[in-house]
Amino acid sequence: GIQVEQSPPDLILQEGANSTLRCNFSDSVNNLQWFHQNPWGQLINLFYIPSGTKQNGRLSATTVATERYSLLYISSSQTTDSGVYFCAAPGAMEYGNKLVFGAGTILRVKS
Amino acid sequence: DTEVTQTPKHLVMGMTNKKSLKCEQHMGHRAMYWYKQKAKKPPELMFVYSYEKLSINESVPSRFSPECPNSSLLNLHLHALQPEDSALYLCASSPMGLAGEQFFGPGTRLTVL
Repeated sequence: GIQVEQSPPDLILQEGANSTLRCNFSDSVNNLQWFHQNPWGQLINLFYIPSGTKQNGRLSATTVATERYSLLYISSSQTTDSGVYFCAAPGAMEYGNKLVFGAGTILRVKS
Repeated sequence: DTEVTQTPKHLVMGMTNKKSLKCEQHMGHRAMYWYKQKAKKPPELMFVYSYEKLSINESVPSRFSPECPNSSLLNLHLHALQPEDSALYLCASSPMGLAGEQFFGPGTRLTVL
């Protein structure tokens, strides 16, 4: 099945800094999701981005499907950005749209 | 209404107890999912319901029993759990049957004593 790898595994930023998180996937995908898991465990949808670029406030994401990677950009980071960022892609249809998650990037933003 | 709700938020149970987790969505989504997440790990799929029928069971032990009474509700019945079943249980839904963007609820944090 598909494999999803994220980098870096950990990231510490000073408030106001920018960062880029990377997600590589082993097979072609028809969708790719980015999530932020807050300290209470809630998985918040950031982007649904099978290809191209999307922006939402200080966050943006780019997926290059032909090269099997996606990037999440965080600009002017804030302490509330802390948490775990996951990317996830679906396995094959016979797996029932099972989302395969990367191991996550743990982000800590210091004030 | 654009959210998935889960109750309870926290649950502590003994190994001989029977309890249920509840998930609800009113977005008209036709696929619903249960995931299990251990600390410092990504979520892992347990079950998928599509159009109220069980589509996927990821070899989950029978002490976990899912139920989908209607298109808006998903339950997870728990019986004779083990301490290693302590985890965050996440429910999700997606609009397009077995495809499309998945939306997650806030989770139930389960502790088995």
